[in-house]
Amino acid sequence: DIQMTQSPSSLSASVGDRVTITCRTSQNISIYLNWYQQRPGKAPKFLIYASSSLESGVPSRFSGGGSGTDFTLTISSLQVEDFATYYCQQSYTTPLTFGGGTMLEIK
Amino acid sequence: QVQLQESGPGLVKPSETLSLTCTISGGSINSYFWGWIRQPAGKGLEWIGRISSIGSTNYNPSLRSRVTMSLDTSKNQFSLNLRSVTVADTAVYYCARDLKRLPNYWYFDLWGRGTLITVSS
Repeated sequence: DIQMTQSPSSLSASVGDRVTITCRTSQNISIYLNWYQQRPGKAPKFLIYASSSLESGVPSRFSGGGSGTDFTLTISSLQVEDFATYYCQQSYTTPLTFGGGTMLEIK
Repeated sequence: QVQLQESGPGLVKPSETLSLTCTISGGSINSYFWGWIRQPAGKGLEWIGRISSIGSTNYNPSLRSRVTMSLDTSKNQFSLNLRSVTVADTAVYYCARDLKRLPNYWYFDLWGRGTLITVSS
């Protein structure tokens, strides 16, 4: 299985801050990397596919990048509704695997 | 818009079979792939498996010996059976649409709200 390691596991930030979350994979997955946002008690919400392609309706303050084994999710100016847990997921091969999550908290 | 809704027993006894159904509304089950993902309380997401609209399946090897997925196109539903459950199977179970975008990008673009399954005697 492809192992997914996210860092940091938690992050405190303020509204308006720029934050970056990192996802590292145990083998080269090209750009087959997705990102999801999960608010407490809710289902995950799809944000980004193919490392950097934004889903329709997702605010442009979200951006993704990277290839191979190292990927990032950046939120350029945090809004209140962005405080949530973020997960990366590889779609390169089955079994599909997710990162352990990064909890973004209000400072 | 397309919506997914999980339904299940809530409580299952150890060694028994967990059965869940996902009902699709506002759209068709045909021409898509569908998946199950679970999340133990306070933990991350685990992929259980995928089923196509013609019934072909792909399961997580860690669960393959206990999992069966099926679908009923006449009811616009797909289902999950997990046999011989233990307390380790306690989790929120999500159904999701497993979308393929050319050339070969897959992602879960739609999710159900999830249903909590507790395994306990």
